[in-house]
Amino acid sequence: SQQGEEDPQALSIQEGENATMNCSYKTSINNLQWYRQNSGRGLVHLILIRSNEREKHSGRLRVTLDTSKKSSSLLITASRAADTASYFCATDKLGTEGAQKLVFGQGTRLTINP
Amino acid sequence: DAGVIQSPRHEVTEMGQEVTLRCKPISGHDYLFWYRQTMMRGLELLIYFNNNVPIDDSGMPEDRFSAKMPNASFSTLKIQPSEPRDSAVYFCASSPVPKGPSYEQYFGPGTRLTVT
Repeated sequence: SQQGEEDPQALSIQEGENATMNCSYKTSINNLQWYRQNSGRGLVHLILIRSNEREKHSGRLRVTLDTSKKSSSLLITASRAADTASYFCATDKLGTEGAQKLVFGQGTRLTINP
Repeated sequence: DAGVIQSPRHEVTEMGQEVTLRCKPISGHDYLFWYRQTMMRGLELLIYFNNNVPIDDSGMPEDRFSAKMPNASFSTLKIQPSEPRDSAVYFCASSPVPKGPSYEQYFGPGTRLTVT
């Protein structure tokens, strides 16, 4: 069964605004990753946050992780039309074994309006 | 590097026919994954290999599905016989052995399968 669940399922904002997507998961994890999928393409890795980290930045991306609530958020600042895509969180199992087996959420479909 | 290569990009077949999807992982990557993506079920892991050996095939839906990795640069996913409910986008992904805890996966462009 899917471990990660994103919300909202769809988000539409104006270019220049910030976009926030959330992910919740059920079991303890090693790491949480965020991926982007453009229409008709494969997924592309964006950022990884370890279970002992609370916040991580990469360019216009900011990811937070709250292991007590089993949730993560992805913030995209100063959005651009090119950010239009679906965004997925992916989690792995706690412990060395199985860490390579990712479980993806259903994704958030983000639309940036010019 | 060319990235993960999948073929064909699109496949349309009739119910009952055999379908073979192909994948060439990124050179040097030890892990290879096959996923299926549908609107209803999202992205599901079907099977993954480590050094050409199948490690976990618990996601393979039924005996009609089989996957092989005869060498480090090639893998196939076969469906025989195919059914309309197999219609989906099938992704292959690969990843290297991580230096840290990261198992970042690199996805191919996918094969869109339509079974009529």
